[in-house]
Amino acid sequence: QVQLVESGGHLVKPGGSLRLSCAASGFIFGDYYMSWIRQAPGKGLEWVSYISHSSGHTNYADSVKGRFTISRDNAKNSLYLQMNSLRAEDTAVYYCARGVVTFNQFDYWGQGTLVTVSS
Amino acid sequence: SYVLTQTPSASVAPGQTARIICGGNNIGGKSVNWYQQGPGQAPVLVVYDDDDRPSGIPERFSGSNSENTATLTISRVEAGDEADYYCQVWDSRSDQWVFGGGTKLTVL
Repeated sequence: QVQLVESGGHLVKPGGSLRLSCAASGFIFGDYYMSWIRQAPGKGLEWVSYISHSSGHTNYADSVKGRFTISRDNAKNSLYLQMNSLRAEDTAVYYCARGVVTFNQFDYWGQGTLVTVSS
Repeated sequence: SYVLTQTPSASVAPGQTARIICGGNNIGGKSVNWYQQGPGQAPVLVVYDDDDRPSGIPERFSGSNSENTATLTISRVEAGDEADYYCQVWDSRSDQWVFGGGTKLTVL
């Protein structure tokens, strides 16, 4: 069965960096595009970043552009999010999600990893 | 950037029909996806491409989309349907994915 397992979230000071990982299993990882989506405490869902199946195309929400970098390793069935210059407003649960190109829906989500940015 | 607007809350009695609205400029021209998120849970896709259901989602969940409004309809509401519901589209102009603010459904 499809599984997405995020890791790497923890407490970090403002201005710091963090790298999130998402381990995928149960499907051909290289056949799908992937995204990171976050949810601040008590708030709604916010799309963060996208990467195409072959890493040839990426995009970012305006709120993280220039600070976050998405990448993937299809040989390791893994997705990553490098987060630099972190701010308090980046505090959230970060989900990785599998994207389906037909209607741009996210059909599988991980359970999320919590990133807290605080001094 | 494209904006999706949802009413923050809705309530319905068990057995009745819940309708959750998602507004957007000419949203009828886009494919709308809907997610259900229970307390402390990851979101689950319940409707995609306006009115299709993934396997395993009950037929009680249906959707429609026209002009400036998309609707998620939940028939014969059960206590277990109490959750937050989010609409989502892909904005081709910005190549970005957009979520509505979410609607908290309370089953009375």
